[in-house]
Amino acid sequence: ETGVTQSPTHLIKTRGQQVTLRCSSQSGHNTVSWYQQALGQGPQFIFQYYREEENGRGNFPPRFSGLQFPNYSSELNVNALELDDSALYLCASSPQGATLRGYTFGSGTRLTVV
Amino acid sequence: GQQLNQSPQSMFIQEGEDVSMNCTSSSIFNTWLWYKQDPGEGPVLLIALYKAGELTSNGRLTAQFGITRKDSFLNISASIPSDVGIYFCAGVDNTNAGKSTFGDGTTLTVKP
Repeated sequence: ETGVTQSPTHLIKTRGQQVTLRCSSQSGHNTVSWYQQALGQGPQFIFQYYREEENGRGNFPPRFSGLQFPNYSSELNVNALELDDSALYLCASSPQGATLRGYTFGSGTRLTVV
Repeated sequence: GQQLNQSPQSMFIQEGEDVSMNCTSSSIFNTWLWYKQDPGEGPVLLIALYKAGELTSNGRLTAQFGITRKDSFLNISASIPSDVGIYFCAGVDNTNAGKSTFGDGTTLTVKP
């Protein structure tokens, strides 16, 4: 079975630009969550998607938005990029109702905003 | 908001030594998770704890869910070089889509 795959692996953007990050969930997993991990810190919950709808959100502004598609893959969009948005963005998937058992994480997208 | 304090921040040990790290929270969690993250990779789940007082093992790893539900502990016995990495605790919020709140990690270095 394939794990969680994310693309691209690295990205450099300019302040004020917009970015889209992509994630394919593990086979059989229909719940996808996104986390932001700044250097030297633990991952911070951005939001979670289930059945193509956002069903939980952390303390991130509205310029962080997402989508989930019928095949359970997901996108994270960030508008009006700021320097502090530079971080590793992790996608994680889990089977329905099994988020309490932990996630399967992808290797992340390293975003640098200059 | 919820915050997790993880300690120690870093550890340097000799191969074969035992390791202990812990995580404390200002809030109660009903589930505690322990992950390991290697460079360039996402976190990998090591142990999940679901009940206060629960003690669970995974090979050389043992974790405990604190009685107060505000803390958890991870022990690694007889460390080996491949134990090197960053260990994260996470508390799960059942009321917000199973959101996991992570600590800032314990970086483990094992000297052969």
